[in-house]
Amino acid sequence: EVQLVESGGGLIQPGGSLRLSCAASGFPVSSSYMNWVRQAPGKGLEWVSLIYTSGGTIYADSVQGRFTISRDTSKNMVFLQINNLRAEDTAVYYCTRGSTSAAYFDSWGQGALVTVSS
Amino acid sequence: SYELTQPLSVSVAVGQTATITCGGDNIGRRDVHWYQQKPGQAPVLVMYKDNNRPSGISERISGSNSGNTATLTISRVQVGDEADYYCQMWGSSVIFGGGTKLTVL
Repeated sequence: EVQLVESGGGLIQPGGSLRLSCAASGFPVSSSYMNWVRQAPGKGLEWVSLIYTSGGTIYADSVQGRFTISRDTSKNMVFLQINNLRAEDTAVYYCTRGSTSAAYFDSWGQGALVTVSS
Repeated sequence: SYELTQPLSVSVAVGQTATITCGGDNIGRRDVHWYQQKPGQAPVLVMYKDNNRPSGISERISGSNSGNTATLTISRVQVGDEADYYCQMWGSSVIFGGGTKLTVL
């Protein structure tokens, strides 16, 4: 059974940093297109970042330069490093598995809440 | 940049058919995917590549895509179908529609 479990969320002051973790089971992250998608309170879904099977990465314009996606294939985990946090980064962050074509998300974690506030 | 436009809300009576649209320029040329999100829960994929249902998704849910509009149709609507629904496609990157709240009367 495919399972994604996020951790690492919390209350962070503006300008701070945070690393979200996603523990995957039931499949190897090395063979999957792994993503982070976020949802601000009461708002819609926003794609954040993707790491390809090759290890290549892409980011939404809104987070480029501040967010870094990575993975540890030995631990079957994916990470999202978030730097210089802003109030508008407050959201639930979902770890998702992309389809083989990377086009859609066939599995989602339960989400990790990040709150940026002083 | 490419945008996907969804109605903010759709209301339908129990047992009737709900139609949720997703508009975009020549969207019929792209693959569109749909997610259902119930309050306090993570989204769930309910339709991929326009009209393909993942395993475990009700046969009452169907999809189509042509011209400038993709459509998710839920027939014989039940109270349990009440949720937010999002369309999504891959353009230069991942694009989500703004979401539609389905209310079951």
